[in-house]
Amino acid sequence: DAGVTQSPTHLIKTRGQQVTLRCSPKSGHDTVSWYQQALGQGPQFIFQYYEEEERQRGNFPDRFSGHQFPNYSSELNVNALLLGDSALYLCASSWDRGYGYTFGSGTRLTVV
Amino acid sequence: GQSLEQPSEVTAVEGAIVQINCTYQTSGFYGLSWYQQHDGGAPTFLSYNALDGLEETGRFSSFLSRSDSYGYLLLQELQMKDSASYFCAVRDRGLTGGGNKLTFGTGTQLKVEL
Repeated sequence: DAGVTQSPTHLIKTRGQQVTLRCSPKSGHDTVSWYQQALGQGPQFIFQYYEEEERQRGNFPDRFSGHQFPNYSSELNVNALLLGDSALYLCASSWDRGYGYTFGSGTRLTVV
Repeated sequence: GQSLEQPSEVTAVEGAIVQINCTYQTSGFYGLSWYQQHDGGAPTFLSYNALDGLEETGRFSSFLSRSDSYGYLLLQELQMKDSASYFCAVRDRGLTGGGNKLTFGTGTQLKVEL
């Protein structure tokens, strides 16, 4: 049973560019949440998708947007990249009524 | 708003018992989770408490007191491989009230020494 798959694993972008990160949830999970984790910090909630809609959003600017597809996979888009966007981006999937999140290994984004 | 507090670092010797505390402030509380994360790795689910009391899973136990907004993770028979970051995370309704989300603490770095 495949867990959560994220791509790419590493990415280097230049300030001002745009980036798209991808996530395939664990089989049977219908909810996808995205987190940003800076070095030495806890994961910060960006937003959550369920039934192809953004259901919850954290304290992140509109430069961060996302999408969920009918097969429950998801994308995170970040526009106008800033140096401060450099972080590990984690995708977590869960069942809507469940409490256990399964995390992917993340995408390490470096903005130069 | 939501906030969680946990110690930044704990050191213990192999074979010992260690307790990592977590206090939280939130609205629409559903439960408290614990996650383990090794350097550069994915957080992995350890335990979840929705009701007051102790939950035991092998060497790990977790406790919750909803009235005190407090919980802890207890690790017994520590092994070197337990060296990692441990996060408490509140599951709550969030601002919109739809579904639920996890809000993480800043993490406790556990170092297990020989």
